[in-house]
Amino acid sequence: GENVEQHPSTLSVQEGDSAVIKCTYSDSASNYFPWYKQELGKRPQLIIDIRSNVGEKKDQRIAVTLNKTAKHFSLHITETQPEDSAVYFCAAKNTGGFKTIFGAGTRLFVKA
Amino acid sequence: EAQVTQNPRYLITVTGKKLTVTCSQNMNHEYMSWYRQDPGLGLRQIYYSMNVEVTDKGDVPEGYKVSRKEKRNFPLILESPSPNQTSLYFCASSWTGERNTEAFFGQGTRLTVV
Repeated sequence: GENVEQHPSTLSVQEGDSAVIKCTYSDSASNYFPWYKQELGKRPQLIIDIRSNVGEKKDQRIAVTLNKTAKHFSLHITETQPEDSAVYFCAAKNTGGFKTIFGAGTRLFVKA
Repeated sequence: EAQVTQNPRYLITVTGKKLTVTCSQNMNHEYMSWYRQDPGLGLRQIYYSMNVEVTDKGDVPEGYKVSRKEKRNFPLILESPSPNQTSLYFCASSWTGERNTEAFFGQGTRLTVV
């Protein structure tokens, strides 16, 4: 069945460095790719998303890139801060929104 | 305020005792879904619903039931809970089709089955 692979499972960076999380999806009908941040004990919340007709999107320190041919999409966080420490999930959703498939998550630690 | 509300937030129950976790959204979203979150496994979809009276299985539907009698409500039913259903559960809702958007998540329900 469809799946989304997410790497790495754990990422530790020094404050101020960049962090990159990568996802690969299998369903070529996927056309919407959101990224969620989940802080400890809280619900996942959207931080950025991208649609299949766009290759890159940026929002301040966060950017997402999409390579439809390779079925890859990535989250880039620049100038990381301790408050960026959380679990990040990528997801892929197909046309019509029948299913959302989530990656297994990346636990990001930003060391001060 | 746009929100998805789940109840209860915490529940401890015994094996075999039927329970229902409620989920309600006030955004008129067509799509609603239930997920369970377990360490190292991320969010796995249990059931989803495209609209009233339209439901379908996700990746891990065994041991669960759902219903969608009204657009705003999507309860999750465990007819005979077992310890392997101990988990953190999230309900979510979103638009579909051309308005395909992010999922809004409820606060989560931490269920323990002993």
